[in-house]
Amino acid sequence: GESVGLHLPTLSVQEGDNSIINCAYSNSASDYFIWYKQESGKGPQFIIDIRSNMDKRQGQRVTVLLNKTVKHLSLQIAATQPGDSAVYFCAEKWGYQKVTFGTGTKLQVIP
Amino acid sequence: GAVVSQHPSRVICKSGTSVKIECRSLDFQATTMFWYRQFPKQSLMLMATSNEGSKATYEQGVEKDKFLINHASLTLSTLTVTSAHPEDSSFYICSAAAGTANEKLFFGSGTQLSVL
Repeated sequence: GESVGLHLPTLSVQEGDNSIINCAYSNSASDYFIWYKQESGKGPQFIIDIRSNMDKRQGQRVTVLLNKTVKHLSLQIAATQPGDSAVYFCAEKWGYQKVTFGTGTKLQVIP
Repeated sequence: GAVVSQHPSRVICKSGTSVKIECRSLDFQATTMFWYRQFPKQSLMLMATSNEGSKATYEQGVEKDKFLINHASLTLSTLTVTSAHPEDSSFYICSAAAGTANEKLFFGSGTQLSVL
């Protein structure tokens, strides 16, 4: 289930299950969205992106869904593995403005 | 993907000293690089935008004289934390931008700064 820590919500999932990480973005004008994975003590790593003219994009074991009506973005990870344990950040961008990061969700995979 | 090298990965220094962090794009040229600060369990906070050959643009509340940025070449940006104090202890991350609107960000591995 989900829990809210001091600053970082946590999602715990069983190994092999699918994970869904949600993100509410702030700017209705944003036209580009990115998901990053950050392991402890490391810099963020690009996972997948999507432009506002799409509502779904699939990668290897990951799918990003975009709902512009409610300004919602989600990251689905299929068959979650222990190596997926990390903090996941959504990010948004509009035009030539800077990328803005969301608050992040910690994914804990239970073996 | 593109590789961004950030050094050092960890530094411990005494209060009052200055610390320089380097960010290099190894296989592409980056006109724009970004510097972030991250506290435990929090998101990345943009400190400044570093543009090659020009002055950096600082975010509101970030002291430009405290955090000196130099972007002298298309592959190197440096962040110097001057007269560091314990409250400057944090995880600092750089990214190099690519794409027509700088939408593609490639991150360094971060620098954990601890000021005693």
